[in-house]
Amino acid sequence: QVQLHQSGPGLVKPSQTLSLTCAISGDSVSSTSFAWNWIRQSPPGGLEWLGRTYYHMSKWNYEYGTSVKSRITISPDTSKNQFSLQLNSVTPEDTAVYYCARWDHMSRYFDCWGQGALVTVSS
Amino acid sequence: DIVMTQSPLSLPVTPGEPASISCRSSQSLLYSDGSNCLGWYLQRPGQSPQLLIYLGSNRASGVPDRFSGSGSGSDFTLKISRVEAEDVGIYYCMQTLQSPLSFGGGTKVEIK
Repeated sequence: QVQLHQSGPGLVKPSQTLSLTCAISGDSVSSTSFAWNWIRQSPPGGLEWLGRTYYHMSKWNYEYGTSVKSRITISPDTSKNQFSLQLNSVTPEDTAVYYCARWDHMSRYFDCWGQGALVTVSS
Repeated sequence: DIVMTQSPLSLPVTPGEPASISCRSSQSLLYSDGSNCLGWYLQRPGQSPQLLIYLGSNRASGVPDRFSGSGSGSDFTLKISRVEAEDVGIYYCMQTLQSPLSFGGGTKVEIK
């Protein structure tokens, strides 16, 4: 049974870089059946998809959300079987609960979510 | 980008009564294979979202049959035939047709 475990700092200063890691157990980040995503939920409650990475046709692919495209990097780490999120130049508007999630390519859904991590951007 | 719009924002329900949530997309979610690329998720208080319905009308494993999804193109509905207390939370629709993926704003279901 796949499990995702998130880790990273809960407080980041404005203009700095937010970094989170999602460790995978029960599956491989290199699986060609799934994609590895980051999603966030801002205090009012809405869900925003940030981006994903997946291994396909012998190469890593990356897709990012429009609002964060210029500031985001999602990276797989095959040696540790995990993937990470980096969001640069953060502002208080980036304060949110961040989730990692596995995406099933065939059925087009998120079938497993991390536990969520509140990241607050404040000086 | 595809914009998802849900209604209502809030839905007070009586246990045992039916409930219905609407979701509309800014463009058709019909895929070339005939499937509708629309999913429904429930986020219970303090929990991560969980999948209820995928590809428009397919119930996820373990989801009670009182939940059903219907619709096609750009107009979709989630129905609960008889609401139970454990169904409270925020329901989100999500388009899975193309990147960037996008969610509706959510519908908060609470017991009257």
